[in-house]
Amino acid sequence: QVHLQESGPGLVKPSETLSLTCTVSGGSIRDYLWSWIRQPPGKGPEWIGYVSDSGNTHYNSSLESRVTMSVDTPKNQFFLKLRFVTAADTAMYYCVRGTRILGPWGQGTLVTVSS
Amino acid sequence: DIQMTQSPSSLSASVGDRVTITCQASQDIGNSLNWWQQKPGKAPKLLIYEASDLDAGVPSRFSGRGSGTNFIFTISSLQPEDIATYYCQQYDIFPLFGPGTKVDFK
Repeated sequence: QVHLQESGPGLVKPSETLSLTCTVSGGSIRDYLWSWIRQPPGKGPEWIGYVSDSGNTHYNSSLESRVTMSVDTPKNQFFLKLRFVTAADTAMYYCVRGTRILGPWGQGTLVTVSS
Repeated sequence: DIQMTQSPSSLSASVGDRVTITCQASQDIGNSLNWWQQKPGKAPKLLIYEASDLDAGVPSRFSGRGSGTNFIFTISSLQPEDIATYYCQQYDIFPLFGPGTKVDFK
């Protein structure tokens, strides 16, 4: 069974870059699209974008000027970078397989933006 | 851009009640709509995909219908474990979630 696990700093300073890694186990990263989704406290989920196993990307237009996603296929990992963060970027960040049907999901990692 | 609305934003019901949530898309999305359940501290769980198909292992008291711009999600008989927030989500172009409906006990 495929399992996803997010990792990265839980605290990021304003104007800096949020960097997260998603490690996929129990299955290959190949042949799928891989999404990042975030959920601010008390709000609904927001899709950030996806990366393919070959590194193709598509981002939410509201974030695309600050987002970069990448993939390391041999390591079964994919990555999120979000630049110039503000308090509005404080959220639970999830890595998820797919885009049309989203799942499975990682357990999520809370990232707080604060000085 | 497509906008998703849900109503109500919250509701209170009793065990055994029929619960109905509506979701509206700002443009035709066909049947490209999923319904999710989220409990506090947990990732969302898929209940319904393609507007009306029940995901594997989901109890039959959950159902969905609709197409185009108007969708309905129903819990036929509310159970204690159904207390959660429910989201609709379209995927016509990219995934977009509705604002959610919080269901609790009256």
